[in-house]
Formats: sequence, C-alpha cells, structure tokens
Amino acid sequence: KAGVTQTPRYLIKTRGQQVTLSCSPISGHRSVSWYQQTPGQGLQFLFEYFSETQRNKGNFPGRFSGRQFSNSRSEMNVSTLELGDSALYLCASSGTSGYNEQFFGPGTRLTVL
Amino acid sequence: GESVGLHLPTLSVQEGDNSIINCAYSNSASDYFIWYKQESGKGPQFIIDIRSNMDKRQGQRVTVLLNKTVKHLSLQIAATQPGDSAVYFCAENIFNSNSGYALNFGKGTSLLVTP
Repeated sequence: KAGVTQTPRYLIKTRGQQVTLSCSPISGHRSVSWYQQTPGQGLQFLFEYFSETQRNKGNFPGRFSGRQFSNSRSEMNVSTLELGDSALYLCASSGTSGYNEQFFGPGTRLTVL
Repeated sequence: GESVGLHLPTLSVQEGDNSIINCAYSNSASDYFIWYKQESGKGPQFIIDIRSNMDKRQGQRVTVLLNKTVKHLSLQIAATQPGDSAVYFCAENIFNSNSGYALNFGKGTSLLVTP
C-alpha cells in the first residue's frame, strides 16, 4: 500500500498570503488529521476529518481551516499568513476515528517571509 | 492545563546499550498511548502503542511500560543501534464526547546513539 502523501513538500509564501496544502491518505483510510510542528511548540493538533466531517478541532485561530473530499483526500488552508505560521504541517491517516494507529506523511514545510 | 511531557529533552547512549525514554502524562482520562519516532526530514513513524488496560507491551526490540498510578509511560529500546537515533514522541489519545479523538504529543526526546 502506498503511504500518506502530502503536496507540496516545500512552500515559501509571504505574509498576508494564503496557502492550501493537500493530503492523500492511505487507501481505505477515512480519518485524516492535521498537525503543526514547530521547534518551540512541538506537534500540535489542528483538526481531524472523518467521512468528510470535521470531528475534532484543536486550539488554532479561524485562519486555519480544512476539508475532506468524498475520496478521503484532505486539504488545509491557512489565510492571511503570519510569520509564526512557518512550520512543518503533517497529515496523518487512520482506518477509523479513535483507537487506531495514525500513519503520518512526510509533511509540508511552509516558510512565511 | 493537562499535558503530556517528557522528563529529558536529550539522551545519549552507546551502541549496544539499552535506552529508556520517559514520559509523564497528567490527563487521567487518557486511555491510549502511542510512541512515535521521527527522523530528520520525515514524518513521525509509529513504534508501539498501549491501552490503559495493559501495563506492558512488547514489540521488536521495544517495550512500552505504563504506570497508571503515577501517570508515567516509558519506552525501552534494547541493544540500541545507530539507526535508532531520532526524536521520540509519546502521545496520548484523548477522547472528548463533544469533539471526538485527538492525539496530544509530548515535546519529544532526542536520542543520539554513539558508536
């Protein structure tokens, strides 16, 4: 089985712009979670989607949003980018929502200038 | 607030020795725990998990111990190899009846294996 894929792998944006990141889960997985990883804050949960519905949301501002499509692929969007949004954004998929191992993708490295 | 934390930010061990990475959690409602390994430039990789109805689980060269009394979790790596050098994260799976499940990660411990 192919693993979780994320595109693009690297992205450079300037303050005020918006960005859309994409995640393709492992085939058959219906749950997709997004995380932000920074050296200072570590791995922080953004949100989880399951069968196109947002099931859980972390403590991030409304500038961070996401969605999931019927094929379980997911996108996350960050609007009005700030310097502090520079981070590695990780996507993880699992078979169901809940007690299940999450498989992570390689991440998208976002740099905001 | 409640959080998952790690006792040591860095750990240096010699090749062939056993490694022990510790993690403290404070959420008494946590009932599922996972250890992840993250190598440079890669996403976290699942190592082993344990549910709260167990106190020990073994995998290949790895053992996770759970002490619910003191809310402590540890990862033991036997015969540590250079390829084990990475950052290790513990995570607790927290369920909220309103919002579902979410993984709460610790800050991570950097394991360096020296020859």
